[in-house]
Amino acid sequence: DVKVTQSSRYLVKRTGEKVFLECVQDMDHENMFWYRQDPGLGLRLIYFSYDVKMKEKGDIPEGYSVSREKKERFSLILESASTNQTSMYLCASSSYSTKNIQYFGAGTRLSVL
Amino acid sequence: AQKVTQAQTEISVVEKEDVTLDCVYETRDTTYYLFWYKQPPSGELVFLIRRNSFDEQNEISGRYSWNFQKSTSSFNFTITASQVVDSAVYFCALSESTDYKLSFGAGTTVTVRA
Repeated sequence: DVKVTQSSRYLVKRTGEKVFLECVQDMDHENMFWYRQDPGLGLRLIYFSYDVKMKEKGDIPEGYSVSREKKERFSLILESASTNQTSMYLCASSSYSTKNIQYFGAGTRLSVL
Repeated sequence: AQKVTQAQTEISVVEKEDVTLDCVYETRDTTYYLFWYKQPPSGELVFLIRRNSFDEQNEISGRYSWNFQKSTSSFNFTITASQVVDSAVYFCALSESTDYKLSFGAGTTVTVRA
């Protein structure tokens, strides 16, 4: 089974803090994605990566950056957390062989106070 | 541009009732893929089905069935004889052939009461 692991289920941070959300997948997938989920808005793509050290902006990249130094790990960085970044963050991975099917982690619920 | 609309925000049913979730999509591509995911209270999205644009055959998997109609750009999902464990948020999603990204609808929250 594909396993996508997000380092924290719940996180509370203060405004202005630098926040790292980590995601690891164990299936050697090429593609990795970060979404945020807000009520009534569904999932919105923040950043994605098709390969190591490669990143592409999604629909809402402002205020975020990412890092992919290893194939299995994709990190989402909030350089200076703000209250409007309070949300559920979901990581996913996929492969050419999975035919676009994305496999998701359990999510990190981030609260910025 | 691509867009997925799930007009139903919330649906509440009594156990054993059938429930149908609507999904309407927009795309200019002739080749595309449609998906349904389930998000139970635990939070992790679970893949349910993937359908490509050239396969309009309806599919049934246990109590789940899907009705794909290109003429109306719809990919609806029916749960037959619903159970409490079906309570979740259900998302419809679309990707185009040249892209590995998914565009998600806003989701429909299904509550099944015992």
